[in-house]
Amino acid sequence: DVKVTQSSRYLVKRTGEKVFLECVQDMDHENMFWYRQDPGLGLRLIYFSYDVKMKEKGDIPEGYSVSREKKERFSLILESASTNQTSMYLCASRPRTSGSEEQYFGPGTRLTVT
Amino acid sequence: GQNIDQPTEMTATEGAIVQINCTYQTSGFNGLFWYQQHAGEAPTFLSYNVLDGLEEKGRFSSFLSRSKGYSYLLLKELQMKDSASYLCAVRGRSNDYKLSFGAGTTVTVRA
Repeated sequence: DVKVTQSSRYLVKRTGEKVFLECVQDMDHENMFWYRQDPGLGLRLIYFSYDVKMKEKGDIPEGYSVSREKKERFSLILESASTNQTSMYLCASRPRTSGSEEQYFGPGTRLTVT
Repeated sequence: GQNIDQPTEMTATEGAIVQINCTYQTSGFNGLFWYQQHAGEAPTFLSYNVLDGLEEKGRFSSFLSRSKGYSYLLLKELQMKDSASYLCAVRGRSNDYKLSFGAGTTVTVRA
């Protein structure tokens, strides 16, 4: 079974703090994604990576950066957390070639910025 | 841009059938996905349609009409465990890994 894990289920940070959200997958997938999920807005793509050291902006990259130094790990960084970044953050992965085309999601990190 | 619409909430009775509609207007189309998400959990993949027609998987079926920009997810013989949010997502281009998601439909199954 594919397993995608995220470093924390719940996180509380203060405004202005630097925040790291870690995601690890154990199936050698090339593609990894970071989304945020907000009520009424659904999942919105922040950044994605199609291979090690490769990254592309999604639909809402402002205020975020990412790092992909190893294939299995994709980190989301909030350089200076703000209250409007309070959200559920979901990581996902998929192989480059996939018969079913599905993405595999981690359990999510609920981040609260106070 | 991508515009994906689905109803916010639906309620149905155990044993009944519910149909969740999804309409989309996207720049390019290369597949439509349905995911299920229980409260507090990760989304899990249900179905993928890239050609017109109906795909059936047990109690769940998904339909696609590309000319109408329309899909539905049909849940039959509803069970209490089917209470969840159902997410419609579209892949825009064949060489694009990105999915654009609708806001999700929360289905509540009542006894």
